[in-house]
Amino acid sequence: NAGVTQTPKFRILKIGQSMTLQCTQDMNHNYMYWYRQDPGMGLKLIYYSVGAGITDKGEVPNGYNVSRSTTEDFPLRLELAAPSQTSVYFCASSLPGQINQPQHFGDGTRLSIL
Amino acid sequence: RKEVEQDPGPFNVPEGATVAFNCTYSNSASQSFFWYRQDCRKEPKLLMSVYSSGNEDGRFTAQLNRASQYISLLIRDSKLSDSATYLCVVNMGSGNTGKLIFGQGTTLQVKP
Repeated sequence: NAGVTQTPKFRILKIGQSMTLQCTQDMNHNYMYWYRQDPGMGLKLIYYSVGAGITDKGEVPNGYNVSRSTTEDFPLRLELAAPSQTSVYFCASSLPGQINQPQHFGDGTRLSIL
Repeated sequence: RKEVEQDPGPFNVPEGATVAFNCTYSNSASQSFFWYRQDCRKEPKLLMSVYSSGNEDGRFTAQLNRASQYISLLIRDSKLSDSATYLCVVNMGSGNTGKLIFGQGTTLQVKP
């Protein structure tokens, strides 16, 4: 049981380049999330999805896009990379329901924009 | 006011000590509360959920005070392996999205 898998683990981009961060989970979780974590800070929600075909903005969505064509996959797209997007990105998933449903995290993607 | 607020620390304690962290939250409609542990450069991992009546898991005790809108985590008999950042996590309140707000974390360093 792999849980939540993120690829790549590390990436360096040049300003203006685009890339997709991949996230897949094998726990049949309906809910999936993308967070970013800047040094010394907590996690900030970028986008989330409550099921295939449904996505919504989180706290810091600008500069990102997502899609959810299947239950398993929730890719995050950066269209025009900017230095402010240098961060560690975590994907997470959980079962439906808001009460005491913890989130399971992937290992993270460390992204540097130079 | 931040939605979830924690003292970032660091808390430096000797092995065997008892240490407590507090966390305050702003949304009175919040219904789910958690403590996550995050090791350096690793993903957050669930330490424990926090229930209204308080709950204990081995050396760890979590308490919830809805009236004052804070939760606490008590660690007894600290071990070197407890050194980590502890994240206070609260759901956004009403609605069925599971959206969680993370505090910035409290860093614990347990010294020999």
